[in-house]
Amino acid sequence: GQSLEQPSEVTAVEGAIVQINCTYQTSGFYGLSWYQQHDGGAPTFLSYNALDGLEETGRFSSFLSRSDSYGYLLLQELQMKDSASYFCAVLNQAGTALIFGKGTTLSVSS
Amino acid sequence: GAGVSQSPSNKVTEKGKDVELRCDPISGHTALYWYRQRLGQGLEFLIYFQGNSAPDKSGLPSDRFSAERTGESVSTLTIQRTQQEDSAVYLCASSTDASSGNTIYFGEGSWLTVV
Repeated sequence: GQSLEQPSEVTAVEGAIVQINCTYQTSGFYGLSWYQQHDGGAPTFLSYNALDGLEETGRFSSFLSRSDSYGYLLLQELQMKDSASYFCAVLNQAGTALIFGKGTTLSVSS
Repeated sequence: GAGVSQSPSNKVTEKGKDVELRCDPISGHTALYWYRQRLGQGLEFLIYFQGNSAPDKSGLPSDRFSAERTGESVSTLTIQRTQQEDSAVYLCASSTDASSGNTIYFGEGSWLTVV
């Protein structure tokens, strides 16, 4: 089966950089995805890594190391609006549906 | 439609009653997913539909839960004899096809409260 581990909470101040780690166990690997969910809102796609290395999208970057079954989401120049929950996810063994971690709640203060 | 549409947005029901939740995926999306999210928790996979293939029901927590989808259109999630532990937001998502399964688009969810 699939399992993902990520910290439950992270706090930071505006303008800072924060890294949210994710380790996974999966019987078939198709890539690591990250989703953001604001309180009471729908999860939205942030990034996807199929290969090792860093993917950058504006202030957000995501990293993957397949040999370590590890990835992280890096958020730079934090803003108050970045306060949200962040989920890492991998596809299930059949390669059909995403299985999500329990999420990391990021609180950004001024 | 422009996005995934779900209804009702909020539902309060009495324990033991049946409820139906509806999802209208993004037009042209062949893959459709249902997830459950309890308050402050992660997303639990429930069921997956892809075109006319047999659905993947491996995430349904009990036989009180069922879902249907007609072709590549609307899906209905039914919970029979609701229990208080069913209280959660039920999220529907869609994607262009299974190979795009890493990028899925969620609706705003149906918030279910069982009293």
